[in-house]
Amino acid sequence: RKEVEQDPGPFNVPEGATVAFNCTYSNSASQSFFWYRQDCRKEPKLLMSVYSSGNEDGRFTAQLNRASQYISLLIRDSKLSDSATYLCVVRGSSASKIIFGSGTRLSIRP
Amino acid sequence: DGGITQSPKYLFRKEGQNVTLSCEQNLNHDAMYWYRQDPGQGLRLIYYSQIVNDFQKGDIAEGYSVSREKKESFPLTVTSAQKNPTAFYLCASSSTETQYFGPGTRLLVL
Repeated sequence: RKEVEQDPGPFNVPEGATVAFNCTYSNSASQSFFWYRQDCRKEPKLLMSVYSSGNEDGRFTAQLNRASQYISLLIRDSKLSDSATYLCVVRGSSASKIIFGSGTRLSIRP
Repeated sequence: DGGITQSPKYLFRKEGQNVTLSCEQNLNHDAMYWYRQDPGQGLRLIYYSQIVNDFQKGDIAEGYSVSREKKESFPLTVTSAQKNPTAFYLCASSSTETQYFGPGTRLLVL
């Protein structure tokens, strides 16, 4: 079993739709959680950190479920510019324990 | 502008050749990292350094070497021992939990 698993997609949804991604992790001692966005042939960029209480940034909502060991990302009112690969990142207690998921590809169609 | 720079953007390696990828940051971050990304896969950690003059192997260090003589710089050498070096190489730095990435170097084998 991979330490961090994501549905690779692609998710192909119309503009304005709501789309949700899940990511599961295997290490219950994981401490920090993040969503990154990566455009084609570019570097990953931090989208948002994920907190136990859940957090929202505009159209984006991230949630953490420690009991079931998954994090989620919800994108509302999706825009064409949201098309990208979304990477789930889980961090343990040390710098060597930062694990990246393989990413979920999202394509928004007009 | 504060940030992380990587050079070159594209690098071609001949059989048996060592090549060095540059990574510089002016964010005053203590920790720096090198990752490798292959198509359709997540990032894999090659080496990381939490402080000047100290670095640790990541999951796929074989065939690579690094140095950390200055806080701002963390160059990666891809040696001839790395038999499959074609990939997208990403450098990152962090001060706390969040990592920030440079624009990456694409290494191709001639």
